[in-house]
Amino acid sequence: DAGVTQSPTHLIKTRGQQVTLRCSPKSGHDTVSWYQQALGQGPQFIFQYYEEEERQRGNFPDRFSGHQFPNYSSELNVNALLLGDSALYLCASSQQPDTQYFGPGTRLTVL
Amino acid sequence: AQSVTQLDSQVPVFEEAPVELRCNYSSSVSVYLFWYVQYPNQGLQLLLKYLSGSTLVKGINGFEAEFNKSQTSFHLRKPSVHISDTAEYFCAVSTIKAAGNKLTFGGGTRVLVKP
Repeated sequence: DAGVTQSPTHLIKTRGQQVTLRCSPKSGHDTVSWYQQALGQGPQFIFQYYEEEERQRGNFPDRFSGHQFPNYSSELNVNALLLGDSALYLCASSQQPDTQYFGPGTRLTVL
Repeated sequence: AQSVTQLDSQVPVFEEAPVELRCNYSSSVSVYLFWYVQYPNQGLQLLLKYLSGSTLVKGINGFEAEFNKSQTSFHLRKPSVHISDTAEYFCAVSTIKAAGNKLTFGGGTRVLVKP
């Protein structure tokens, strides 16, 4: 049984560019959440998707947007990248409202 | 809103010694509680969780945690650590409500196990 998968593993972008990160949830899970983890800090909640709709949102600007597809996979889009967006982006899946299981993350570096 | 405080940012410990990682939370409603571990350059792995029932929760790799509602704490313990327990540990809470179950994390505790 495959766990949560994320792609790509690493990504390097320049300021002002746009990026799309992808996540496939664990089999049987219908909810996907995204978190940003800056170096040396705990993860911060970005948003959560359930039934293809954004169910909850954290304190992140509109530059951060997402999507959930009918197969429950999800994308995180970040526009107009800033240096401060450099972080590990973690995807977690769950069968609402149960425990969240995390993927390996995507390391984004903004130059 | 909820918040989580991990009282120790770093905990050095010798191999085979016990370790306790402290976690306190604040919330106006009932919560679920979790401990996750993060090894270098990896995602988060669930160690254990408290949803309801017995306040002493046992997890993977010999870890256990005790929920104390009056002290709003959820401390993590292991009686004898191994070198392989060197990692960062995160305490997290989520609220019990239908409209989503976002996790709020503490700042993490880095455990360094010395031989």
